[in-house]
Order: sequence, then C-alpha cells, then structure tokens
Amino acid sequence: GENVEQHPSTLSVQEGDSAVIKCTYSDSASNYFPWYKQELGKGPQLIIDIRSNVGEKKDQRIAVTLNKTAKHFSLHITETQPEDSAVYFCAASRSNFGNEKLTFGTGTRLTIIP
Amino acid sequence: GAVVSQHPSWVICKSGTSVKIECRSLDFQATTMFWYRQFPKQSLMLMATSNEGSKATYEQGVEKDKFLINHASLTLSTLTVTSAHPEDSSFYICSAGTGGPYGYTFGSGTRLTVV
Repeated sequence: GENVEQHPSTLSVQEGDSAVIKCTYSDSASNYFPWYKQELGKGPQLIIDIRSNVGEKKDQRIAVTLNKTAKHFSLHITETQPEDSAVYFCAASRSNFGNEKLTFGTGTRLTIIP
Repeated sequence: GAVVSQHPSWVICKSGTSVKIECRSLDFQATTMFWYRQFPKQSLMLMATSNEGSKATYEQGVEKDKFLINHASLTLSTLTVTSAHPEDSSFYICSAGTGGPYGYTFGSGTRLTVV
C-alpha cells in the first residue's frame, strides 16, 4: 500500500518568513496530492491540492510543487502570518474523485512566531 | 461547496456502552464514506471505507464487530463504537467522497471519551 512520509514534524518560522513542508510517497499510481490544515479539535481543511499532470500550483500565499519522477511534493507558504499556525498534513490518493482512500503523512506542527 | 455535517462534536460515555456518530452530506450525494481515527498528536488513520448500500471494507487491525459502519443512503453514514473501552477514546473523523470536483470533504470530527 501507499506510504507517505512528511518532514519536518515541527517547524517554527518568524512572521513574514516562508515555510516549506516536504512529503514523499511510494505508490507510483498515486495521482492526487492534497494538503490539509488542521486546527485543534477540528477536522482537516483542504488548503490546496495538485494532480499529477501539473508540476506546480499556486493560490495567493500558498503553493504546491510536485515531482512525480522523484515521488515528492512540497507545500510552500510565503509571508507567514500568526493564523497560519496549525498542523499541516499532506496526503496521496489514486483518485481525485474521492472514491479511493487517502493516505496521510505524519503531520507538521507549524508555529509562526510574531 | 460540499459540506459534511458530523455529530456529535464530542461525547462522553461509560465503559461498556455503545456510541453512534453520524455524518451527513448536506448538499451532495456521498457515494463513498471514509472513517478515520486520530489519536493525540498523531496523523489520521483510515479505519474503513464504505460505499452506499454495501458492506464496509475495514483496514487491517480494525475490528469490524466493534466499529459498525452503516451507509444506507447517499447522504448518511454512521459509525457505532460498540462496547466502548477507554482505549477507544479518540478523535473520529468522517470524509465523504463526492465522485466529482470536490474530491474529499471532511466532517468536523467527534471527540469520544470513554470513562
């Protein structure tokens, strides 16, 4: 089955600086890679996703890059703000239609220092 | 957008009793529902996958007789934790597959505490 590794497990950055979280996956059939933000006591919230036919996607301060050959993808947050503090999870699936299971990474606790 | 309503948000029950958690898709038909369990400071671990009208498929190590999943309609799935014990205390989260552009939509989670 799919195995998703995520690094780092914790990350502290100064407000305004950039944060980068990296994930690798093992299943070459995976083609959908979402990123979730989870706040304490809440369910995961999708912040950005990418499909395997795209190498990069950007949405305002958030971007995701995908290297399918190397089987790794990364989340980039620029101009970080205190409200970005949360736990972030990467995930991988064989489908973006929600009919195949998602395998999650181990999570990164991001702390933005004011 | 797609919304999944999960209830209750938290529940405390006595050891040996059963607890039911509901997930409803409010504005779409959930062809597939996934149930996850998350222990403190850990990732989401898939427990089971259910398709409407079919028996759920459980992940290895998850007791199907303990965690009963019902997906009788395209808008409602339930997880019943039977004969709950303190080690079942966890955060349970459902996720609905829309089969369309919304991909996966997560519920807000249920904090179960067994005392």
